[in-house]
Amino acid sequence: RKEVEQDPGPFNVPEGATVAFNCTYSNSASQSFFWYRQDCRKEPKLLMSVYSSGNEDGRFTAQLNRASQYISLLIRDSKLSDSATYLCVTYNNNDMRFGAGTRLTVKP
Amino acid sequence: GAVVSQHPSWVICKSGTSVKIECRSLDFQATTMFWYRQFPKQSLMLMATSNEGSKATYEQGVEKDKFLINHASLTLSTLTVTSAHPEDSSFYICSASGLGSMTDTQYFGPGTRLTVL
Repeated sequence: RKEVEQDPGPFNVPEGATVAFNCTYSNSASQSFFWYRQDCRKEPKLLMSVYSSGNEDGRFTAQLNRASQYISLLIRDSKLSDSATYLCVTYNNNDMRFGAGTRLTVKP
Repeated sequence: GAVVSQHPSWVICKSGTSVKIECRSLDFQATTMFWYRQFPKQSLMLMATSNEGSKATYEQGVEKDKFLINHASLTLSTLTVTSAHPEDSSFYICSASGLGSMTDTQYFGPGTRLTVL
């Protein structure tokens, strides 16, 4: 079983749509959680951290459920520029584990 | 701040040659550097972790004699793919973490795309 599992997609949505990504992780000792964004042939870039209380950054909302070991990312009012692969990441004592990513394509 | 560079950004080489990839932290001291590999449509896979001045710790299944890692200073780590073969073609990404507030995240370099013919 992979440490971090994500629905690979692809998700193809029209501009303005709301889309949600889910992620589960197996290591209960994981301390920190993140969503990264990776564009084609580029390095991952931090999108946002994920907290148990939930956090919002503009059109992006992340949620963490430690009991279920589940992380989510909600994107509202999708833009063309949101097209990318979104990586769910867990972090524990300098050990970062990546999900395989969920690919999103936003179409006009 | 927290910029990590990699060189070269891409390289094409013949089978059997060795390729060195450099990873530099430009504006902070990287006490720990990480090397990842990513094949198309797959996740980043950690290859090894290196702390400045000590030997790298390799993940299971990664050959330390094939992927030589050196972390001789707080701003530079190198990965040498020795006797590269076509199956080594991949996207190699380094990341770095530092001291204090920089210990709980990793800053990624732009990656090096290796193609072995």
